[in-house]
Amino acid sequence: QSVLTQPPSASGTPGQRVTISCSGSTSNIGSNFVCWFQQLPGTAPKLLIYKNDQRPSGVPDRFSGSKSGSSASLAISGLRSEDEADYYCAAWDDNLRGYVFGTGTKVTVL
Amino acid sequence: EVQLVESGGVLVQPGGSLRLSCEASEFTFSRHSMNWVRQAPGKGLEWVSYIGSNPSAIYYADSVKGRFIISRDNTKNSLYLQMNSLRVEDTAVYYCARTGDFDFWGQGTLVTVSS
Repeated sequence: QSVLTQPPSASGTPGQRVTISCSGSTSNIGSNFVCWFQQLPGTAPKLLIYKNDQRPSGVPDRFSGSKSGSSASLAISGLRSEDEADYYCAAWDDNLRGYVFGTGTKVTVL
Repeated sequence: EVQLVESGGVLVQPGGSLRLSCEASEFTFSRHSMNWVRQAPGKGLEWVSYIGSNPSAIYYADSVKGRFIISRDNTKNSLYLQMNSLRVEDTAVYYCARTGDFDFWGQGTLVTVSS
């Protein structure tokens, strides 16, 4: 079951900034690192952000992550058509003793 | 470049068993924890299981606890998922992913549970 809540959809025009929220609790986001993933249609997920706000090499700096309390956010600035994808957050949950993923957000570039 | 290649996904009847494999290359497999994550058709990602670099740390999602067993063979650079008492709701693409940051993923293998 998903215990991290994301909006089902988000959209913007090319060049705009889009922000995706990920709401959890003290047992997951509130006390552990958050990761963000991008999943293009028909492909495996790809790590975008780890340890709340760190970008792996090769990920453009248009993608940024932040965390405050039991919530986290992913921002995409300078939106491009190739950013159309599903985005997921994830974190370890101390109560469940396992990882939990967010419900996923579909980003559409208008 | 890190490579993870899953295999073993097939059509199986409810109540059946299956073993998935994930072969790793281009990194020191024994030094990294590993995960299985699944995605049912048209649905989101669901974490399934974790195994530490030395197999003493093992965790399962409640949905598979008691039915699935994760293991690894560091001499073969391979990760496994033994799936027993399969249910229709276990139908999904199963991915292996490296470490607690899920920094690299395989391409996935499809498991279909149906009569």
